[in-house]
Amino acid sequence: DARVTQTPRHKVTEMGQEVTMRCQPILGHNTVFWYRQTMMQGLELLAYFRNRAPLDDSGMPKDRFSAEMPDATLATLKIQPSEPRDSAVYFCASGLGFGGGHEQFFGPGTRLTVL
Amino acid sequence: KNQVEQSPQSLIILEGKNCTLQCNYTVSPFSNLRWYKQDTGRGPVSLTIMTFSENTKSNGRYTATLDADTKQSSLHITASQLSDSASYICVVTQRGDSSYKLIFGSGTRLLVRP
Repeated sequence: DARVTQTPRHKVTEMGQEVTMRCQPILGHNTVFWYRQTMMQGLELLAYFRNRAPLDDSGMPKDRFSAEMPDATLATLKIQPSEPRDSAVYFCASGLGFGGGHEQFFGPGTRLTVL
Repeated sequence: KNQVEQSPQSLIILEGKNCTLQCNYTVSPFSNLRWYKQDTGRGPVSLTIMTFSENTKSNGRYTATLDADTKQSSLHITASQLSDSASYICVVTQRGDSSYKLIFGSGTRLLVRP
């Protein structure tokens, strides 16, 4: 049963601390996406990778957020330093492309609370 | 301005009834339009993806339509079930020169009552 996995599922931290979220895409998928969802803003795309290379991270605050794919089985999203406004659910999704009819499969999300 | 607007914001229907959710967009150039279902506390699940040339696509009791001329899409749910209670999100992909951009609707929250 192939699915996207994310760890941790929940994270509570204090302002100023570093937060690292991890994602394991579905084996064979070459495109990985990071999303953030809040009640106020809804769902928004932060960054996406194809074949481990970042293609677009324009949705991400560059000063504190960074996204990487050290290998094909792991994507990370790091926030340093974290702020209360970063509190949200962060989703990772993977697929076989972006345009056209390629489907994206979402993970269960990491619920982040920054106090 | 590239926007995706969904209506209604929320909807309550009785089990067994049909309903239709609307999505209007002003995104250009258009690549595709997706409908997602998101249960509370879970990640979105894709229902349909439609490209420019497709005007209807079904997934079980879910049928999406797309009118590329008027830039409107609808999601019709037939014979609703309690498990259809969820948020439904419309997402339009904008095609760029070297990358794509996703424009999200704010979603319709559907509650199906017994």
